Amino acid sequence: GESVGLHLPTLSVQEGDNSIINCAYSNSASDYFIWYKQESGKGPQFIIDIRSNMDKRQGQRVTVLLNKTVKHLSLQIAATQPGDSAVYFCAEIGGRRALTFGSGTRLQVQP
Amino acid sequence: KAGVTQTPRYLIKTRGQQVTLSCSPISGHRSVSWYQQTPGQGLQFLFEYFSETQRNKGNFPGRFSGRQFSNSRSEMNVSTLELGDSALYLCASSGTERGSEQYFGPGTRLTVT
Repeated sequence: GESVGLHLPTLSVQEGDNSIINCAYSNSASDYFIWYKQESGKGPQFIIDIRSNMDKRQGQRVTVLLNKTVKHLSLQIAATQPGDSAVYFCAEIGGRRALTFGSGTRLQVQP
Repeated sequence: KAGVTQTPRYLIKTRGQQVTLSCSPISGHRSVSWYQQTPGQGLQFLFEYFSETQRNKGNFPGRFSGRQFSNSRSEMNVSTLELGDSALYLCASSGTERGSEQYFGPGTRLTVT
């Protein structure tokens, strides 16, 4: 069943296009910033993380950018596919080892 | 490797009752964290266990408690249930010291009536 907020900001993209999901964070002391993907009826799935002393990290079809000056994190998904449709959460973690999640963005991929 | 498993998947309880949720982490993972997910509050950290010890705790009342066993399996208990406790309870395990790479189970959907 549905497990995420009903009024999330939504990003709608065409299949094959690139997607950029943005997130603002508040805690400058966080050690890592992370992106999670949550599909309906499932728990969040780890996508990629970036250490606070880096500004860019690439994975398979995904790139995370960290701008500490403006406390901004983004997730870029290349060649977006229908299977990428989900809610995406940014999260941060510090010394307490507790993930602090953002409110989420719903990505809808139009075929 | 098998993923994180949680039981039960769905639960309906009445106000004032108590409930126990169970989580089995990925084999070899010693850190288990619990999160509550609601439409209004999003994902919120409850607590983290490592080697049978609670290492961190979120801002939840004492009605929420947990424990971890020697095989790293964890249970979460909520006593004197309130309507506002209705949520998806997620368990996550981690095998890395940095804790950023957490693997979540499917969750237990708790409904309090």
